[in-house]
Amino acid sequence: AQTVTQSQPEMSVQEAETVTLSCTYDTSESNYYLFWYKQPPSRQMILVIRQEAYKQQNATENRFSVNFQKAAKSFSLKISDSQLGDTAMYFCAFMRVIGGATNKLIFGTGTLLAVQP
Amino acid sequence: GAVVSQHPSRVICKSGTSVKIECRSLDFQATTMFWYRQFPKKSLMLMATSNEGSKATYEQGVEKDKFLINHASLTLSTLTVTSAHPEDSSFYICSARGGWERSYEQYFGPGTRLTVT
Repeated sequence: AQTVTQSQPEMSVQEAETVTLSCTYDTSESNYYLFWYKQPPSRQMILVIRQEAYKQQNATENRFSVNFQKAAKSFSLKISDSQLGDTAMYFCAFMRVIGGATNKLIFGTGTLLAVQP
Repeated sequence: GAVVSQHPSRVICKSGTSVKIECRSLDFQATTMFWYRQFPKKSLMLMATSNEGSKATYEQGVEKDKFLINHASLTLSTLTVTSAHPEDSSFYICSARGGWERSYEQYFGPGTRLTVT
């Protein structure tokens, strides 16, 4: 069974600084997807970034980038130039490729990030 | 991106009554929908996976007779909490996934806060 671990329950960062959220996972699959979702106080889940396991290049979306280390089964999220609107709960998630649309997301326990002015 | 709506956003019901929550995909056909439950500051707990026209697959420990899920069309799934009790009070989130070309994309509704008095 797949598991996702987020070892940082809470983090804090000053506005405009950089913060890295960690995530490790365990799987025997060779092909899968990894995601970071953001859940702000509104509680709407928002996809931040996605990484396909077969791609060696780390995904980047504006101020958000990942450090994907497949051998180490690590998938950290770096937020550059932190903004107050980045304050949210961040969830790391894993999904198998085999099985298609019915595959479920396996979520980590989340990291509550507070951006301080 | 694709939009998923949920209705109602908040509902208060009396103990012993039933309440229905609707989840709609507004601009795409959702072959698969997922229902989650989330407690404050906790991760999303998958309750069940439903495919259009077939019975839902429930996660271990989720009472299928208490949480009735119907996925009658490619754009609508409903979750009915039957004979609700205060311990059923929670935040319920649905998500939807399209066909194979979008098999890794999962779009989340804004959630429904259920309070049972």
